[in-house]
Amino acid sequence: DSGVTQTPKHLITATGQRVTLRCSPRSGDLSVYWYQQSLDQGLQFLIQYYNGEERAKGNILERFSAQQFPDLHSELNLSSLELGDSALYFCASTPTGGADTQYFGPGTRLTVL
Amino acid sequence: AQTVTQSQPEMSVQEAETVTLSCTYDTSESDYYLFWYKQPPSRQMILVIRQEAYKQQNATENRFSVNFQKAAKSFSLKISDSQLGDAAMYFCAYRTPPYNTDKLIFGTGTRLQVFP
Repeated sequence: DSGVTQTPKHLITATGQRVTLRCSPRSGDLSVYWYQQSLDQGLQFLIQYYNGEERAKGNILERFSAQQFPDLHSELNLSSLELGDSALYFCASTPTGGADTQYFGPGTRLTVL
Repeated sequence: AQTVTQSQPEMSVQEAETVTLSCTYDTSESDYYLFWYKQPPSRQMILVIRQEAYKQQNATENRFSVNFQKAAKSFSLKISDSQLGDAAMYFCAYRTPPYNTDKLIFGTGTRLQVFP
């Protein structure tokens, strides 16, 4: 158990819908990262937050957005969902976001029908 | 741009034997970090081992060790005394320097099968 929690574990929804994925980092960790794992794109970095502020952006679609709240949990919002958004979404956290090792949550499996 | 290449989509090993998974990367940076993550059927991403580029000594964690060749930009993972529980996808990852972004760049993975 990495100490990073993600909810829900599974999510099934329809095209065009909007969903919110939630991540709670390890106790004391200030930095949160979101990754997408899909069959055709592999594991890709989406976005990083540090202590409530966006720090880095990767290949994140405009339909996707994220935020980190004062209690340090983070949410990834996916809207206007398409079939290709079906993937496993991971959250990872580190204490400061510098040289620290990233510890991953169990992931949320999103299926778009 | 930094890239990570795992040229072995699948590998297999007999229980108790040794196997080596390959990883190469491309970067112009001199300071960075390399990782091996394991993803079992549960899909959880589990850290196996970490290597700092400034350290010449190869990292070791119990039965797992790496062969880090900085000049060749090679970072292979050796699993000794393989166990059935080692069966998983293994991902090599490169971490950009802290002064840039902190993202991990992953290879495409190697699926390791362990036979009794």
